[in-house]
Amino acid sequence: EPEVTQTPSHQVTQMGQEVILRCVPISNHLYFYWYRQILGQKVEFLVSFYNNEISEKSEIFDDQFSVERPDGSNFTLKIRSTKLEDSAMYFCASSQTSGGSTDTQYFGPGTRLTVL
Amino acid sequence: SQQGEEDPQALSIQEGENATMNCSYKTSINNLQWYRQNSGRGLVHLILIRSNEREKHSGRLRVTLDTSKKSSSLLITASRAADTASYFCATPEHQGAQKLVFGQGTRLTINP
Repeated sequence: EPEVTQTPSHQVTQMGQEVILRCVPISNHLYFYWYRQILGQKVEFLVSFYNNEISEKSEIFDDQFSVERPDGSNFTLKIRSTKLEDSAMYFCASSQTSGGSTDTQYFGPGTRLTVL
Repeated sequence: SQQGEEDPQALSIQEGENATMNCSYKTSINNLQWYRQNSGRGLVHLILIRSNEREKHSGRLRVTLDTSKKSSSLLITASRAADTASYFCATPEHQGAQKLVFGQGTRLTINP
């Protein structure tokens, strides 16, 4: 069964450093998403991406964040200058369609980001 | 309560018993999804129920949806130790939205 994959599984970085989290969505999916989950808290939406553009973003997704689909398979989340509060599990998700009654978002295993 | 709030927050039962978790939401939705998360791991999609459906089954899972009460329930029958996990409901922020809103989750523990 096709899966969303994410690398690395765990990333440790120093505050102020740039990190790039990578995701390979399910191959025939057109919509891509990033969510994050701070330890012990809810899963929070960051951004959705379709047709090489951001389609929705949350207030969390400020200028420090960017997303890119650099080729036909990868989908990345970049945090330019990490802060301690960026420490969280970051989930990539993809779906075939969006906005409809049967849209299912499939999630990857997550990247645990630790900012020191 | 906020969009997609689960109840109870924690549930501990014996293996073989049934587990029921509830979710409430606030806005009009076109679907509701349930996910499972094993400790520190990814979110596994369990089941999606559309707003025009009242009940849906998948193996040992049964999901109900009551749009008049803006609530859903997830029933796991004949629970197993491997069902120990956190369970989340997720709804679109509004009809047609791409953003999913998750609740705090129900932490289910199955005791052998």
